[in-house]
Amino acid sequence: EAGVAQSPRYKIIEKRQSVAFWCNPISGHATLYWYQQILGQGPKLLIQFQNNGVVDDSQLPKDRFSAERLKGVDSTLKIQPAKLEDSAVYLCASSSTRQGGSPLHFGNGTRLTVT
Amino acid sequence: AQKITQTQPGMFVQEKEAVTLDCTYDTSDQSYGLFWYKQPSSGEMIFLIYQGSYDEQNATEGRYSLNFQKARKSANLVISASQLGDSAMYFCAMRGLLYNQGGKLIFGQGTELSVKP
Repeated sequence: EAGVAQSPRYKIIEKRQSVAFWCNPISGHATLYWYQQILGQGPKLLIQFQNNGVVDDSQLPKDRFSAERLKGVDSTLKIQPAKLEDSAVYLCASSSTRQGGSPLHFGNGTRLTVT
Repeated sequence: AQKITQTQPGMFVQEKEAVTLDCTYDTSDQSYGLFWYKQPSSGEMIFLIYQGSYDEQNATEGRYSLNFQKARKSANLVISASQLGDSAMYFCAMRGLLYNQGGKLIFGQGTELSVKP
């Protein structure tokens, strides 16, 4: 099966600019996650979707970050305006279910550099 | 609240030897799962092995095994017969297993493993 697809692979922007990341999960996976991974740290959940509904966005900086999954398939994460501390790798993951031991499957990530 | 602690920022191991990566966790949930992921320098997160809190036997997947000690709240990863390609960051992670627990993975800080020839 095809894996989780993310684009772009790399992005460099100046602070105060906006940026958007795209994710297409594994076919049939109802649960989609966006994680932020700052260099040298473990991934931190930003937002979790179940189909097109939000399950958890408690750690999403809502003044600048937004995400949507309109048709319950692919998803977009946006940052506007970007800050220097947003430099990180943004990982998208999906799973077939949000319960039980099924693992999360991750995409290759988008490496964002804010200058 | 759930928490994962990995106390080894970096580890070295000689090729063909075994290595243990430590992971301790804290949770008030009765039903939870523990996962290990590998992240090479290319950046992708690769799922390695899973252990459920009610599993009586330690999980094994090829050269990977999970040393699960529930009373001590530890879930150490053992890699046997290390290979040069095992050099990577390794993350321990945990999630609640029930639907109403949400399903998100909580990650530790990671351990960087370097395999020496």
